[in-house]
Amino acid sequence: GAGVSQSPSNKVTEKGKDVELRCDPISGHTALYWYRQSLGQGLEFLIYFQGNSAPDKSGLPSDRFSAERTGGSVSTLTIQRTQQEDSAVYLCASSSLRDTQYFGPGTRLTVL
Amino acid sequence: TQLLEQSPQFLSIQEGENLTVYCNSSSVFSSLQWYRQEPGEGPVLLVTVVTGGEVKKLKRLTFQFGDARKDSSLHITAAQPGDTGLYLCAARSSGTYKYIFGTGTRLKVLA
Repeated sequence: GAGVSQSPSNKVTEKGKDVELRCDPISGHTALYWYRQSLGQGLEFLIYFQGNSAPDKSGLPSDRFSAERTGGSVSTLTIQRTQQEDSAVYLCASSSLRDTQYFGPGTRLTVL
Repeated sequence: TQLLEQSPQFLSIQEGENLTVYCNSSSVFSSLQWYRQEPGEGPVLLVTVVTGGEVKKLKRLTFQFGDARKDSSLHITAAQPGDTGLYLCAARSSGTYKYIFGTGTRLKVLA
């Protein structure tokens, strides 16, 4: 079956522009996570969605970051007024109640 | 702030050698996972351990969860070039859904 997909795979933008990153989770998975990974490093938690519950936004680094999940499926991570320090790989993962997270391939964001 | 420290950060070895990667914390966790990540891809789950002292084997990989559930190790026997990648540990505290990821160990196995 289809895994987690993310788009675009690569995004180059200019400082100050807004970007939207998309995540299509595995069908039927109720939980969805966003992480940020700097070059070759570990993952930094950003936000978590579970069903219809209020999302846990505690990992978002600033108010320029926001995310939504429509209809319990597709999620969009938006970064406003991008800065160079936002450059990273943004990973999305989904899971069912069995706890295993399945990751997408990520979106590599470069802010010039 | 909970931290997961992995060691070593980098490891370059010859094919056939054995190696151990460590994941340490001062916090107690309800479960700990190990992932492998290859360039341009997301991490892929290798194993989940939940019981203190638990040992799990996956072919040439042996995973152990510390008795106090604060640390874990990954041992690879007779490493092969296909084992090359970034190894990440991730842990979750009881009652939470949030995973904390370790700093990562980049392994390179030379043929």
